[in-house]
Amino acid sequence: EVQLVQSGAEVKKPGESLKISCEGSGYSFSTSWIGWVRQMPGKGLEWMGIIFPGDSETTYSPSFQGQVTISADKSISTAYLRWSSLKASDTAMYYCARASGTGSYGYYYLEYWGQGTLVTVSS
Amino acid sequence: EIVMTQSPATLSVSPGERTTLSCRASQSISSNLAWYQQKPGQAPRLLIYGASTRATGIPARFSGSGSGTEFTLTISSLQSEDFAVYYCQQYNNWPSYTFGQGTKLEIK
Repeated sequence: EVQLVQSGAEVKKPGESLKISCEGSGYSFSTSWIGWVRQMPGKGLEWMGIIFPGDSETTYSPSFQGQVTISADKSISTAYLRWSSLKASDTAMYYCARASGTGSYGYYYLEYWGQGTLVTVSS
Repeated sequence: EIVMTQSPATLSVSPGERTTLSCRASQSISSNLAWYQQKPGQAPRLLIYGASTRATGIPARFSGSGSGTEFTLTISSLQSEDFAVYYCQQYNNWPSYTFGQGTKLEIK
């Protein structure tokens, strides 16, 4: 069974750094893309970026480029989302999801989702 | 960036009825469209990919259609567990995938 288990909720202050995680199991972690999605309180879904753990190829949505860093450690089947300096506007639920596709590069939908990590940034 | 526009924002429907949700892309995305369902306090769930292929375990009452810029999700006979928010997402424009703003399906 494919599972993605995310790290627990975080409460941070503005300016602090943070790294949340997403551990995959039940499939070959190195050979499937992992995407990250933001959902601000009461709002819709926003695509952040995606990583291929096998070689750490990463791409970002223009809206999130330079704002976050996506990484992965295939040795422990875990992907990460990191902030170097949090802002109050980073308060949101963050989801990781395993991407699937038709075999052609660049066409991936999100088939399996983690349970989400709630990040609260408040002074 | 490809803008995905869903309509209506909210849809009030009675259980047992048939309903159709719409999603429009600002430019052609071929059939590279997915639909997701999200219930309160839960992660989204994949319903449809490739515009019309049901994901594993999704009931046959859910169907998707369309290509290019116009897409629909149809639920043939609404069950109580179907009341949720539905999102479309284009995955044609790598790496700038985008979601629609969502349609909330509520009980009439």
